[in-house]
Amino acid sequence: DQQVKQNSPSLSVQEGRISILNCDYTNSMFDYFLWYKKYPAEGPTFLISISSIKDKNEDGRFTVFLNKSAKHLSLHIVPSQPGDSAVYFCAASAGAGGTSYGKLTFGQGTILTVHP
Amino acid sequence: NAGVTQTPKFQVLKTGQSMTLQCAQDMNHEYMSWYRQDPGMGLRLIHYSVGAGITDQGEVPNGYNVSRSTTEDFPLRLLSAAPSQTSVYFCASSSNGWDRGREQYFGPGTRLTVT
Repeated sequence: DQQVKQNSPSLSVQEGRISILNCDYTNSMFDYFLWYKKYPAEGPTFLISISSIKDKNEDGRFTVFLNKSAKHLSLHIVPSQPGDSAVYFCAASAGAGGTSYGKLTFGQGTILTVHP
Repeated sequence: NAGVTQTPKFQVLKTGQSMTLQCAQDMNHEYMSWYRQDPGMGLRLIHYSVGAGITDQGEVPNGYNVSRSTTEDFPLRLLSAAPSQTSVYFCASSSNGWDRGREQYFGPGTRLTVT
């Protein structure tokens, strides 16, 4: 049972355009969401997060949108750059405090390719 | 700050052999976790720890043991390796706090092949 799903295995965009990566979840207990970026042969690196009390969070070129009623979040990258080419993972966490800090549930990942 | 370090980077085992994957962090983080990454599956939680002496199972714990005797170290043990354990293993750490998010910081990974 995949509680976090990224239904697009890959996405290809032109440099300078917008990249939109999508993620859906099924567990209503998830209240904190994160995006990670991963290059080959490296560990995932944290990109941006959002709490369920918000519907948008921005950090430079990266914006995450959360639609709780649809159980859907998306990551927007504007403008996209060739260096953004990587695998992007959506992750979710349930419940503040306690063990939630040690447990993330990940989606399958989306390979983003940004063409010059 | 080295962050999260993992050794070895690569390992080949024969079925039935045992080994320990090492993980250490120098950020004084309370929480540490082990994940495995398989094609098309994302990262799946194996075991995690909320502090020294306290561990718990994640989504895919079978075939793996952990212990946490210090804040810094969180080794993952394979007692009898199986081909199904061929994967890339990532260790991560995080810290709680009222002003912090829940982001985890990952090591570079260990690529394990079991033949």
